[in-house]
Amino acid sequence: AQSVAQPEDQVNVAEGNPLTVKCTYSVSGNPYLFWYVQYPNRGLQFLLKYITGDNLVKGSYGFEAEFNKSQTSFHLKKPSALVSDSALYFCAVRAPNRDDKIIFGKGTRLHILP
Amino acid sequence: GAVVSQHPSRVICKSGTSVKIECRSLDFQATTMFWYRQFPKQSLMLMATSNEGSKATYEQGVEKDKFLINHASLTLSTLTVTSAHPEDSSFYICSAEGAGGGNQPQHFGDGTRLSIL
Repeated sequence: AQSVAQPEDQVNVAEGNPLTVKCTYSVSGNPYLFWYVQYPNRGLQFLLKYITGDNLVKGSYGFEAEFNKSQTSFHLKKPSALVSDSALYFCAVRAPNRDDKIIFGKGTRLHILP
Repeated sequence: GAVVSQHPSRVICKSGTSVKIECRSLDFQATTMFWYRQFPKQSLMLMATSNEGSKATYEQGVEKDKFLINHASLTLSTLTVTSAHPEDSSFYICSAEGAGGGNQPQHFGDGTRLSIL
């Protein structure tokens, strides 16, 4: 069965510092991996995805994520955090078989401190 | 990009009322729509998956008679919470995906905050 873990409930980063939000996964075969962001009282917004190809994926708002197959990780990163990046971030995984559901992590709340 | 519109954004109603939430894909055909429930400070809980023209598939523990889902067209799915009670108060979010395959992201509506008095 596929699963995804976000080990941190909350991450605090000072504005201007690099940020990392961690995600590990378990899936049979090559995974499809996604990151979403949720602002208060809003739905989720798609940030980026990894399907195949380069392990470093670039997405919206300056975010990027690195696919590491040996460590089964897909950590979200940004070189310089902004206060406006404060939000709830979800990692998601889906097995290549389209019938498999997308599985979301429990979310990590990111606080960027001014 | 793909846009999903969800209405209403907020509903406050008395216990026993039935509430309908609409989810529309505005610029693409949504072959599959998903309904989630999100509790405070918690992740998304998938309630059901609906494919256009067929019955929804409900997750274990979700009452299909309580949460009626209709996906009558490729651009519209509705969730009706029947005879709502205070424990049904929550944030409900829909998402949609097109026919492009499982490597495509889901597109989410902005959610509906349901408060049952």
